[in-house]
Amino acid sequence: SQQGEEDPQALSIQEGENATMNCSYKTSINNLQWYRQNSGRGLVHLILIRSNEREKHSGRLRVTLDTSKKSSSLLITASRAADTASYFCAPRNSGNTPLVFGKGTRLSVIA
Amino acid sequence: EAQVTQNPRYLITVTGKKLTVTCSQNMNHEYMSWYRQDPGLGLRQIYYSMNVEVTDKGDVPEGYKVSRKEKRNFPLILESPSPNQTSLYFCASSSSTSGGYIQYFGAGTRLSVL
Repeated sequence: SQQGEEDPQALSIQEGENATMNCSYKTSINNLQWYRQNSGRGLVHLILIRSNEREKHSGRLRVTLDTSKKSSSLLITASRAADTASYFCAPRNSGNTPLVFGKGTRLSVIA
Repeated sequence: EAQVTQNPRYLITVTGKKLTVTCSQNMNHEYMSWYRQDPGLGLRQIYYSMNVEVTDKGDVPEGYKVSRKEKRNFPLILESPSPNQTSLYFCASSSSTSGGYIQYFGAGTRLSVL
């Protein structure tokens, strides 16, 4: 198992702006997953990108993966106040190995 | 509805009084795990289970026990709770989905040990 490191630790933007957060990891992966956590609640899976994919979209979310740089980014377009949450990346090596979470990026979207 | 259910959601107890936090999933997932979340430290894994009767330590197992007698249940046991175990606890389960093993989380248990 390996831990992803999210950057920045905190991000504050105005409603309607785009939010970009980054994730770096250390060793080769099978896939990388992004999760959202609203304050005090359980994490919710957002999107999974496999190691052979470079970009993936889901609604207003766009995830990119650069395996040569061992990094991923999550872009939330046209952000809303409801997007205020912490976002975590979780690189997965292989199989059903434990997911290790970092400290996340805390996003605040101001109306 | 697919879900991971934790009970209780909130618990206040005193040092040394044994307690159990239950976790149950209805998705027939083989993998289950427990995390604790503390301010500034993120989510840290306590124990995980790859299947029935198979459990293993995570990063912070001291002071905790688990058991996996049935596939759906994975209780977290604190034999002698101490104040440093005051935290927000999450149970999660997962299984293969197109090779992804997405994790599903419970709503959390907020524990205070006085």
